[in-house]
Amino acid sequence: KNQVEQSPQSLIILEGKNCTLQCNYTVSPFSNLRWYKQDTGRGPVSLTIMTFSENTKSNGRYTATLDADTKQSSLHITASQLSDSASYICVVSARGSQGNLIFGKGTKLSVKP
Amino acid sequence: DAGVIQSPRHEVTEMGQEVTLRCKPISGHDYLFWYRQTMMRGLELLIYFNNNVPIDDSGMPEDRFSAKMPNASFSTLKIQPSEPRDSAVYFCASSLRAGEYNEQFFGPGTRLTVL
Repeated sequence: KNQVEQSPQSLIILEGKNCTLQCNYTVSPFSNLRWYKQDTGRGPVSLTIMTFSENTKSNGRYTATLDADTKQSSLHITASQLSDSASYICVVSARGSQGNLIFGKGTKLSVKP
Repeated sequence: DAGVIQSPRHEVTEMGQEVTLRCKPISGHDYLFWYRQTMMRGLELLIYFNNNVPIDDSGMPEDRFSAKMPNASFSTLKIQPSEPRDSAVYFCASSLRAGEYNEQFFGPGTRLTVL
């Protein structure tokens, strides 16, 4: 069964600190993995996309990694800001899919001053 | 472009009432998706359309749910009759094309509360 599991469920950090969010998936055949950021009361917005051959991708202070062998991904946030407080959702696409995305349940990050 | 537009943003209704959620996709996008998000289950795909035609409605939970797309710029998701367990945030998303590489752009969502 295609699944995406994220950890931790929630995380509280102090402003300026770094953090890493984890994503494990069992989607097969794998095509790509996206990390979405969802601010409270808003829809998810894509941060990064990685395909099978990519093992790291950055978007500002966000760096995503992918290990296709172990089927794991991480999202590292550097020098966190209050505006990073949001839910981060890992989303995986299977090869040949026509828009069916497999969503994780997200990690809720709170950055405190 | 204004992005995906959804209305209303909040809806509170009583059990048994009909609820209609509305969505305007990004102009030029051929695909439209309806999702439901709850704390327990996360985001779930309900149905998606290609060029106004429903392609996959296997995620629609029951016959109480129906969706239409009468033209390229408008879609509705209707729940009749509504039940308390339908309370959730409903998102509409659109993408330029289908396929696993095409980014879906989400609207702000409609928070539905059924009392």
